[in-house]
Amino acid sequence: DTEVTQTPKHLVMGMTNKKSLKCEQHMGHRAMYWYKQKAKKPPELMFVYSYEKLSINESVPSRFSPECPNSSLLNLHLHALQPEDSALYLCASSQGLAGIEQFFGPGTRLTVL
Amino acid sequence: SQQGEEDPQALSIQEGENATMNCSYKTSINNLQWYRQNSGRGLVHLILIRSNEREKHSGRLRVTLDTSKKSSSLLITASRAADTASYFCATVNTGGFKTIFGAGTRLFVKA
Repeated sequence: DTEVTQTPKHLVMGMTNKKSLKCEQHMGHRAMYWYKQKAKKPPELMFVYSYEKLSINESVPSRFSPECPNSSLLNLHLHALQPEDSALYLCASSQGLAGIEQFFGPGTRLTVL
Repeated sequence: SQQGEEDPQALSIQEGENATMNCSYKTSINNLQWYRQNSGRGLVHLILIRSNEREKHSGRLRVTLDTSKKSSSLLITASRAADTASYFCATVNTGGFKTIFGAGTRLFVKA
């Protein structure tokens, strides 16, 4: 299984809602990533988990809260988001810890009203 | 902050033609990667070139790296309509895990 899955595919939420994005991989990869991508822009790194521990937080606002329950799962908890947080959220994983050959999920299209 | 800058921003060619995209970066790197993204989808890893390599081939892809100029190019030969996508270069800072993507080139291949 060489796939990274993400749920949901689409999410619409209000600024007072709490929601979670989920990501799963069964390739035994040791690193997992969250990216944010605005339209016609490149992905921007948000968080990196290495061996289930948070290793990089790119100064992301606290309304985004990552969680890695186990080596196959990665969650992104969302609370009190702003309309400007609307974007495509991509999850990725890699075997090594140096960001090489990342496998990406299809993303969650998030709209904040 | 974006490290890689790519040109052109958009490229439109006919099927069968070659497509060349360029990427520049600012810091020292161990390797440089190229990814493809179909509209609104996840990225797919295409090829990696290490800092001690100057050229690498994979099928219809040819990548070059010039560390003295901090630049790389991706050549797609004999393009197909299915190659229509956005192409991004990506670097990881030396000694770190932070991946930075270039601005990307949007390639349109007309059948």
